[in-house]
Amino acid sequence: QLQLQESGPGLVKPSETLSLTCTVSGGSISSSPHYWVWIRQPPGKGLEWIGSIYYRGSTYYNPSLKSRLTISVDTSKNHFSLTLSSVTAADTAVYFCARKNRRDADDAFDIWGQGTMVTVSS
Amino acid sequence: EIVLTQSPGTLSLSPGERATLSCRASQSVSNRYLAWYQQKPGQAPRLLIYGASSRATGIPDRFSGSGSGTEFTLIISRLEPEDFAVYYCQQLGSFGGGTKVEIK
Repeated sequence: QLQLQESGPGLVKPSETLSLTCTVSGGSISSSPHYWVWIRQPPGKGLEWIGSIYYRGSTYYNPSLKSRLTISVDTSKNHFSLTLSSVTAADTAVYFCARKNRRDADDAFDIWGQGTMVTVSS
Repeated sequence: EIVLTQSPGTLSLSPGERATLSCRASQSVSNRYLAWYQQKPGQAPRLLIYGASSRATGIPDRFSGSGSGTEFTLIISRLEPEDFAVYYCQQLGSFGGGTKVEIK
């Protein structure tokens, strides 16, 4: 059974860089044709798609975050990562990783990690 | 960018009642990419419906989705206690603002 697990610091200082990793277990991150995505949710608010990556490295970013965002993949470690630079309090959120199922769920996000809370504060 | 607007913001109903949730897109979207999720406090969202009307694996048949173009609907035919949660629609990189289904 495929599982996703986010990891990374829970506290980041303003203007610094937020870095998170999503480890895929129970299956391969190189499983075609799926994409791997990051989604976030500020406290008490709705969901925001951050961006996605294919195991070969092609990426799609939310235009509102694109200038600060990098998503990468490491197939040897079966994980993908997010870095968001120059963070502010507005980046405080629960960050989820998920699988975008392109085979039999019409591009929906069918498997999610449990989420990790990241607070931006000095 | 497509904007998804969900209504109502909050739905107050009793167990056993029928819930009708709406998702309106700012422009016509493909049915294929319209999905619905359920989220309970402290949990990750769970995929309910994909392709506007297909139930995801393990989702009870009291959940149904329909619609096309700019208007989509999620119906919960008879609310069970575990169905009280927040529901989101999603199309590619856009999420709706959510509808909270609460116990009346």
